[in-house]
Amino acid sequence: GESVGLHLPTLSVQEGDNSIINCAYSNSASDYFIWYKQESGKGPQFIIDIRSNMDKRQGQRVTVLLNKTVKHLSLQIAATQPGDSAVYFCAENGETSGSRLTFGEGTQLTVNP
Amino acid sequence: GAVVSQHPSWVICKSGTSVKIECRSLDFQATTMFWYRQFPKQSLMLMATSNEGSKATYEQGVEKDKFLINHASLTLSTLTVTSAHPEDSSFYICSARDVFRGRGYEQYFGPGTRLTVT
Repeated sequence: GESVGLHLPTLSVQEGDNSIINCAYSNSASDYFIWYKQESGKGPQFIIDIRSNMDKRQGQRVTVLLNKTVKHLSLQIAATQPGDSAVYFCAENGETSGSRLTFGEGTQLTVNP
Repeated sequence: GAVVSQHPSWVICKSGTSVKIECRSLDFQATTMFWYRQFPKQSLMLMATSNEGSKATYEQGVEKDKFLINHASLTLSTLTVTSAHPEDSSFYICSARDVFRGRGYEQYFGPGTRLTVT
């Protein structure tokens, strides 16, 4: 079935380094992708999104890259800080799923001081 | 803006009882609300989608008679877990969407409700 998954369940980086979190999706009809950050015991927090007509979008310290050819999405966090430690989920929404979001499995990012 | 609240933030109940969780959009009208369930160290799984004034659409495998969803107004949706059992213990998260806000397809998430059934 349709799924959105992540390559790595955990990622550990040093404070100040750049982090890259990856996501693979299988629904070729997906046209909207979102990255969420979830801290322990809290709801998901929107980070950045991208539509399928773009291949890159930048925010404050974050960049999302979309490669539709290989159905791959990545989130880059520049100068990672301890406050960035959380679980990061990608989610997708496609024409066939209407307004429903399909979430990936999540990556636990740990930033070491 | 686009704040979604949930109440309660955590609840403990005995097996066999029912629990109601509220989801409110505080500063916008939610044309659609979504309910998710999340088990520890797992992703969010969509349970159902509800539109104001109409019946909820449940995902495959979700028992509609067990998880009652009511979306009676544009700012409030409730999820009632009926005859709760320990396996229903989970983190329940709602989100809300306003087709007239922003680009129309963003979902704004609540803080979640931790349900523990003993």
